[in-house]
Amino acid sequence: GENVEQHPSTLSVQEGDSAVIKCTYSDSASNYFPWYKQELGKRPQLIIDIRSNVGEKKDQRIAVTLNKTAKHFSLHITETQPEDSAVYFCAASRNYGGSQGNLIFGKGTKLSVKP
Amino acid sequence: NAGVTQTPKFQVLKTGQSMTLQCAQDMNHEYMSWYRQDPGMGLRLIHYSVGAGITDQGEVPNGYNVSRSTTEDFPLRLLSAAPSQTSVYFCASSSRDGYNQPQHFGDGTRLSIL
Repeated sequence: GENVEQHPSTLSVQEGDSAVIKCTYSDSASNYFPWYKQELGKRPQLIIDIRSNVGEKKDQRIAVTLNKTAKHFSLHITETQPEDSAVYFCAASRNYGGSQGNLIFGKGTKLSVKP
Repeated sequence: NAGVTQTPKFQVLKTGQSMTLQCAQDMNHEYMSWYRQDPGMGLRLIHYSVGAGITDQGEVPNGYNVSRSTTEDFPLRLLSAAPSQTSVYFCASSSRDGYNQPQHFGDGTRLSIL
């Protein structure tokens, strides 16, 4: 089955710096890669996702890149702000026959942005 | 729309007790799933359903049971609670229209087994 590894487990940056979180996956058939942000005591919330037919996707200060050959994808946050502090999870799934694939999550990265 | 609603928000059980965690969604989503979240372990899939009457096991199904009699509801049952089942449980749902629709999570149920 699919296995997703996420690094680093903790990341501390100064406000205004960039943050990068990396994930690798094992199943070459995986074709959907979402990123979730979870604030303390809250639900995971989708912040960006990418499908395997796209190499990069941006949404304001957030971007995700995908390298299908190497089976890894990364989350990039630019101009970090204190409110970006949270735990970030990557996930992978594969669609088959039009049905929703199950999400397999990485173990999370705790991002701390220091003012 | 309320989205995905989970009840209760908190629960304390004694070892050996049984209980049902409720999950309901009002978005007419076909796909629903249950995850548990433990410190340092991310979210692990317990059971999932692709539609009413259809359920299947995820990564960590032992000790849990599910059913899906309606599109809206997907309850998770703990048959005989054990301290290892102390965790935060999240229910999620998504549409099957098109490929790989985003999953929407509920607020979670924080469960402690003594």
